[in-house]
Amino acid sequence: GAVVSQHPSRVICKSGTSVKIECRSLDFQATTMFWYRQFPKQSLMLMATSNEGSKATYEQGVEKDKFLINHASLTLSTLTVTSAHPEDSSFYICSAQTGYDYEQYFGPGTRLTVT
Amino acid sequence: TQLLEQSPQFLSIQEGENLTVYCNSSSVFSSLQWYRQEPGEGPVLLVTVVTGGEVKKLKRLTFQFGDARKDSSLHITAAQPGDTGLYLCAGATQGAQKLVFGQGTRLTINP
Repeated sequence: GAVVSQHPSRVICKSGTSVKIECRSLDFQATTMFWYRQFPKQSLMLMATSNEGSKATYEQGVEKDKFLINHASLTLSTLTVTSAHPEDSSFYICSAQTGYDYEQYFGPGTRLTVT
Repeated sequence: TQLLEQSPQFLSIQEGENLTVYCNSSSVFSSLQWYRQEPGEGPVLLVTVVTGGEVKKLKRLTFQFGDARKDSSLHITAAQPGDTGLYLCAGATQGAQKLVFGQGTRLTINP
């Protein structure tokens, strides 16, 4: 149980375009999902907390107009990187919280490359 | 700002050796999770500890939560090459949804 999927696993896009990443909890309902960014050989950096039916809460320094988050259902959250630039290239990981002891289950990640 | 100091950040040892990874904080956590991440994949939850002094075992891995719930350790016995990966500790404070992550320990087990 507690499986989280992410799509796509890899995406390459041109500078200036937008990219949408989907995060789904497959076998449980997640009222809260999280979006992280991970740089090579580093730990996870929380970008935002996404609660179903409400606006996402962004961490300090994360541009909410650039990283649009939508959590329209209890099993789906999306992250849209708008007007992507090469510096946005990174590994993006989502997680879903079960509500039990604050455990988070992570998706497999999306490797974004902006050319 | 709540911080989790994880050490060591890098560890390379021979197969069969034992090792311990530490996670320390000045903050009290209501629960603490340990994750393992392989390159190009998302972290996988290994264990959650919630009670001060709690010890949990997962095959050759032993996890301990400090009595004051401010620190935790992961001990691996007779490490194997398959244990190679990035180990992350993450703590949850009471009433907060998000987790505080340690910097990670990149473990390499050499055959």
